[in-house]
Amino acid sequence: DTAVSQTPKYLVTQMGNDKSIKCEQNLGHDTMYWYKQDSKKFLKIMFSYNNKELIINETVPNRFSPKSPDKAHLNLHINSLELGDSAVYFCASSRLDGTLNTGELFFGEGSRLTVL
Amino acid sequence: GENVEQHPSTLSVQEGDSAVIKCTYSDSASNYFPWYKQELGKRPQLIIDIRSNVGEKKDQRIAVTLNKTAKHFSLHITETQPEDSAVYFCAASRGSNYQLIWGAGTKLIIKP
Repeated sequence: DTAVSQTPKYLVTQMGNDKSIKCEQNLGHDTMYWYKQDSKKFLKIMFSYNNKELIINETVPNRFSPKSPDKAHLNLHINSLELGDSAVYFCASSRLDGTLNTGELFFGEGSRLTVL
Repeated sequence: GENVEQHPSTLSVQEGDSAVIKCTYSDSASNYFPWYKQELGKRPQLIIDIRSNVGEKKDQRIAVTLNKTAKHFSLHITETQPEDSAVYFCAASRGSNYQLIWGAGTKLIIKP
């Protein structure tokens, strides 16, 4: 069983289009994340949800909008795509441990977005 | 805010030799320090972590050391093998804000 699954795995689209990436986890975790990894491999946190509540909202353009319908799902919608949005987007989940640290992050396989 | 610096950005070692990657952090309240390994085209995966009440932790060929006074922690891989080739990320967290602060990554190349 896949612990954290995200779809689609590859996405090629034109500038200006709107697209969504879906993520689901079956680990029973209470916290989910979206990360962006650019061509230089740097991992940048975008959003984090804990029990469907937004807790981290880094400085990303408001063209990016996360939605968490329930604890097991966190989707990412991107409006008016730009060339600079090309990257691999990783979904991840974790359970907070007793010290309120994130605990182990379980990542999905990634969604490679290419904007032409 | 917290800042994590990771060095070197690329490390090339002979198979069988040891590799050491070092990270420094700025927030003395940080108390959790994980290391993630990302193989080419794959997802990052946790390989080892350490908390601030411990100075060293080992798991087979990998170990992590923490120096709280100097605010740095290091990943040590002994007897390197080809499958150790990957990008390694360090991170630091002070807890309650739920956020990990990541290093920029180190590309480890194992030469045969």
